[in-house]
Amino acid sequence: GAVVSQHPSWVICKSGTSVKIECRSLDFQATTMFWYRQFPKQSLMLMATSNEGSKATYEQGVEKDKFLINHASLTLSTLTVTSAHPEDSSFYICSARPRTGGSPLHFGNGTRLTVT
Amino acid sequence: AQSVTQPDIHITVSEGASLELRCNYSYGATPYLFWYVQSPGQGLQLLLKYFSGDTLVQGIKGFEAEFKRSQSSFNLRKPSVHWSDAAEYFCAVDFDSSYKLIFGSGTRLLVRP
Repeated sequence: GAVVSQHPSWVICKSGTSVKIECRSLDFQATTMFWYRQFPKQSLMLMATSNEGSKATYEQGVEKDKFLINHASLTLSTLTVTSAHPEDSSFYICSARPRTGGSPLHFGNGTRLTVT
Repeated sequence: AQSVTQPDIHITVSEGASLELRCNYSYGATPYLFWYVQSPGQGLQLLLKYFSGDTLVQGIKGFEAEFKRSQSSFNLRKPSVHWSDAAEYFCAVDFDSSYKLIFGSGTRLLVRP
């Protein structure tokens, strides 16, 4: 079945550094990928919509200069957390919409980011 | 504003008992509806979805859900809960067919042996 892979599954970084998270669709092409963040014991909040070959669309309140999204191919989207701070510590999850559409969204297993 | 409500933060049931998790959503049109399950520290697994047609949908692991347009609800049910069903359950709604999902706050299911 359709698989979405996220890498890394967890990362610890120092405050002020940048971290890149990858989201790959392994056996299908995804024209659209979505990035969510989830704080402990809370629900998922959509951060941005990533479209292949175009700029990402950010939800209200999400800093586009802090959370850089690149969707350079039909199977890969990346989220870079720039100048990370402890308050950016969270669980980041991506999902992918197949190019063919009509299928449910598939989610990656998430990336646990801890900023020290 | 578009919103998804899961009124129960925690639910505890005994193993073998039946289960119903509630989900209500705002907005008048018929959206796409989903239920996902999440184990601690893990991603989301799709249990079932509703796009159109039969309002009672069957999913994996013995789960089913019923779409009730008049109540703007999409409740998840299982006739007999297993200990392995303990997890966090999220109802999600795509209000405009964009696959941009709005999630409910989640319901944590605890299963008593």
